[in-house]
Amino acid sequence: DQQVKQNSPSLSVQEGRISILNCDYTNSMFDYFLWYKKYPAEGPTFLISISSIKDKNEDGRFTVFLNKSAKHLSLHIVPSQPGDSAVYFCAASGLYGSEKLVFGKGTKLTVNP
Amino acid sequence: GAGVSQTPSNKVTEKGKYVELRCDPISGHTALYWYRQSLGQGPEFLIYFQGTGAADDSGLPNDRFFAVRPEGSVSTLKIQRTERGDSAVYLCASSLAGGGNTEAFFGQGTRLTVV
Repeated sequence: DQQVKQNSPSLSVQEGRISILNCDYTNSMFDYFLWYKKYPAEGPTFLISISSIKDKNEDGRFTVFLNKSAKHLSLHIVPSQPGDSAVYFCAASGLYGSEKLVFGKGTKLTVNP
Repeated sequence: GAGVSQTPSNKVTEKGKYVELRCDPISGHTALYWYRQSLGQGPEFLIYFQGTGAADDSGLPNDRFFAVRPEGSVSTLKIQRTERGDSAVYLCASSLAGGGNTEAFFGQGTRLTVV
C-alpha cells in the first residue's frame, strides 16, 4: 500500500500563474517531507523540504505547506515558468528513525508559455 | 565532475545474466543510497550505506540483489540471474551525513533493460 500518494499524474498551467502540486501521506510518524524535481534522463534534484514541526517553508518562488491533521502537503510555485516543466516527486522520511525516502509516483507539470 | 556519477548510463542484458552497476558519490559524502524507479512510479528504496556498512538493506527485493561499498566511497549494485522484471532505472544518491532531513544528491541513473 502506498504510503505517499500524488493523486494527480499531470498538471498544466499558464506561464505566470500559480502551480499547486498536492501530496498525501498515510503515516503520521513521518517527520520530514521533501520535494524533488526531475527532468527527462536526469536524476531527481532537491527542491525544498519541510520538517513536521513546521507548517510552511518558503524559498523564492517555491513554498511548501504542511497540514499534519490532514496528512497533506502541497507545493506552490509562483509565478510558474516554462522551465519549471518537469516531474515533481513528493517524498517523506524519518519513519521509525529510518533514513530512507519514501516517494510518491510523481506529478508531471507542464507550464505553457 | 562534482556530482554523483553512475556508470553505465544504459545497460542491456539477457535474462539470467549477472550485472554490476557502479555509483561514484560526491566526495566526502558518507551516506549512499540506491533506489529503483520503474516506469510510471516514483523511486523505490533499495539500500542505504553509512560509510562502508549497509545500515538498511530492507528494500532489496530478494537475494539476487546485493550491494557493496568496500572503502566507503564507490558502491556497486550487483544483480544475479537477472529477470525481465528487473528492468528499471537504478538511481544512486549520496548525502553528507545521512539523516532523512539531509538533502540527497542523485545521479542520472543507470537504465537497465533485461531482454
